[in-house]
Amino acid sequence: GENVEQHPSTLSVQEGDSAVIKCTYSDSASNYFPWYKQELGKRPQLIIDIRSNVGEKKDQRIAVTLNKTAKHFSLHITETQPEDSAVYFCAACISGSARQLTFGSGTQLTVLP
Amino acid sequence: DVKVTQSSRYLVKRTGEKVFLECVQDMDHENMFWYRQDPGLGLRLIYFSYDVKMKEKGDIPEGYSVSREKKERFSLILESASTNQTSMYLCASSSTGNNQPQHFGDGTRLSIL
Repeated sequence: GENVEQHPSTLSVQEGDSAVIKCTYSDSASNYFPWYKQELGKRPQLIIDIRSNVGEKKDQRIAVTLNKTAKHFSLHITETQPEDSAVYFCAACISGSARQLTFGSGTQLTVLP
Repeated sequence: DVKVTQSSRYLVKRTGEKVFLECVQDMDHENMFWYRQDPGLGLRLIYFSYDVKMKEKGDIPEGYSVSREKKERFSLILESASTNQTSMYLCASSSTGNNQPQHFGDGTRLSIL
């Protein structure tokens, strides 16, 4: 089955700096890669996703890049703000798989004021 | 807006008890999922269901069972609760089709004493 590794497990940045979280996946059949944000005490929420026919996707301060050859994808947050502090999860999905998603272990991002 | 509702936010049970966690979604989604969330381990899939009365094992099904008698409701059952099942439990739902995002409930923090 699919295996997703996520690094780093914790990340602290100064407000205004950029943050990068990286994930690798094992199954080359994976073709959909969502990112979820989970604030303290709240549910995980989808913030951005990318499909395998696209190399990069941006949404305001958030961007995701995908390297299919190397089987890794990354989340980039620019101009970080204190409200970006949360746990971020990457996930990978094999097309046609009923179970849909395999998640990484999560990154605790702390934005220091 | 999709709403996934879990019956309890906090639950305390005793070792050996049979425990029921309930999840209801209001978007007529075919797929429903139960995850367990532990620090440093991310979201691990316990069971999922892609249709009424259908169920599939995830990565960590031991000690759990599920029930899906109606499309909107997916129940997780701990047959005989043990202390190592103390955790946060998250329910999610999604529609059928490739690359569909999963929508999560608020979670149930379960403590087994």
